[in-house]
Amino acid sequence: QSALTQPPSVSGSPGQSVTISCTGTSSDVGGYNRVSWFQQLPGTAPKFMMYEVSNRPSGVPHRFSGSKSGNTASLTISGLQAEDEADYYCTSYTSSNTLIFGGGTKLTVL
Amino acid sequence: QVQLVESGGGVVQPGRSLRLSCAASGFTFSSYVMHWVRQVPGKGLEWVAVMSYDGSDKYADSVKGRFAISRDNSKNTLYVEMNSLRPEDTAVYYCARERWDFDSSGYLEYWGQGTLVTVSS
Repeated sequence: QSALTQPPSVSGSPGQSVTISCTGTSSDVGGYNRVSWFQQLPGTAPKFMMYEVSNRPSGVPHRFSGSKSGNTASLTISGLQAEDEADYYCTSYTSSNTLIFGGGTKLTVL
Repeated sequence: QVQLVESGGGVVQPGRSLRLSCAASGFTFSSYVMHWVRQVPGKGLEWVAVMSYDGSDKYADSVKGRFAISRDNSKNTLYVEMNSLRPEDTAVYYCARERWDFDSSGYLEYWGQGTLVTVSS
């Protein structure tokens, strides 16, 4: 099964908003609300940022939000800050009772 | 606090085997679904395998038939036995825990620091 499709890179200036998309199929993203997002800084393990499409674990700033439409999920970061510069990955539960990750998106804060 | 510590990585020749361990603490290990996820250095994350609290398992197509996930609840430890290793299995291997007990939604809330496996002659 191919990875979920994410843009390789996005960028924005401090204070702006950016959106990272994550496109799958009806067998994963479109078929379930079990989409989550991770932030990964260089040399560290992924950090759990969002679950069930739009729910934030405690400690994740409110400027991170999630949504889904059809086979595409999105992570929006509002009020961009320098510390948000990282790689972001989506993942979804699949109809095969497995997980599938997106290819990852590198966020650059200009 | 939840801690996951992987070990067992190293350099191994193609075709050989290696077993990774993930020592868990700070929670009731037997109640949680556990996963292995890998990452080729400089590349993206790839889900590898899952073991449920009831002992059932699932694998990514890329490792099916070669990798075997297991757990020892008495030792609070998750394992993955990797056989017939290939150069493309070279990666950092992470173990991860689901957010809720007795749940397999795929929300990987806690991660270990990872252990590097290098498959090379």
